[in-house]
Amino acid sequence: NAGVTQTPKFRVLKTGQSMTLLCAQDMNHEYMYWYRQDPGMGLRLIHYSVGEGTTAKGEVPDGYNVSRLKKQNFLLGLESAAPSQTSVYFCASTIGGGGNQPQHFGDGTRLSIL
Amino acid sequence: SQQGEEDPQALSIQEGENATMNCSYKTSINNLQWYRQNSGRGLVHLILIRSNEREKHSGRLRVTLDTSKKSSSLLITASRAADTASYFCAPRDAGNMLTFGGGTRLMVKP
Repeated sequence: NAGVTQTPKFRVLKTGQSMTLLCAQDMNHEYMYWYRQDPGMGLRLIHYSVGEGTTAKGEVPDGYNVSRLKKQNFLLGLESAAPSQTSVYFCASTIGGGGNQPQHFGDGTRLSIL
Repeated sequence: SQQGEEDPQALSIQEGENATMNCSYKTSINNLQWYRQNSGRGLVHLILIRSNEREKHSGRLRVTLDTSKKSSSLLITASRAADTASYFCAPRDAGNMLTFGGGTRLMVKP
């Protein structure tokens, strides 16, 4: 039982390049989330999904797209990377909604945009 | 959604001492969760306290919630070097989103 797995762990991109971050969970969780963490700012929600085939915008969605084609996977795409997207990206999942369930996090993807 | 704000931003104590971290939030909540983040790792859930609860314990952790003051505190008793980490509170409203503040960085010196 690996929990939440994020790939890759590190990546360096040039401005304008595109890439996809993968999040996989093996806990059969319905809800999945993508956050970014910047120094001193805590975590900010980018997009989330309440089930297979659904996605919704979070607090800072601009410049990112997501897809949830399979229940266990949640992909985060950067269409045209910008230096402002340099950050640590975390994926999380939770068994359901209702607000009373803890979130399980992956160990992050450290992304640098040059 | 609303953001929890932790205080202090940084705390340094000796092993064996107690550590207290505070969290304030702005509007009504469904519950409030506390998470720990070790350096270079993801967040780990510690404890959840519902809006109708005032205190909750888990091992060496004690969390209190005062909805009238819109505040919560996390107490770690008899701290250990392994407790060195950042701690985040996450108020949760009726929606599906958690919001996190900048966290409290705790350093426990051996």
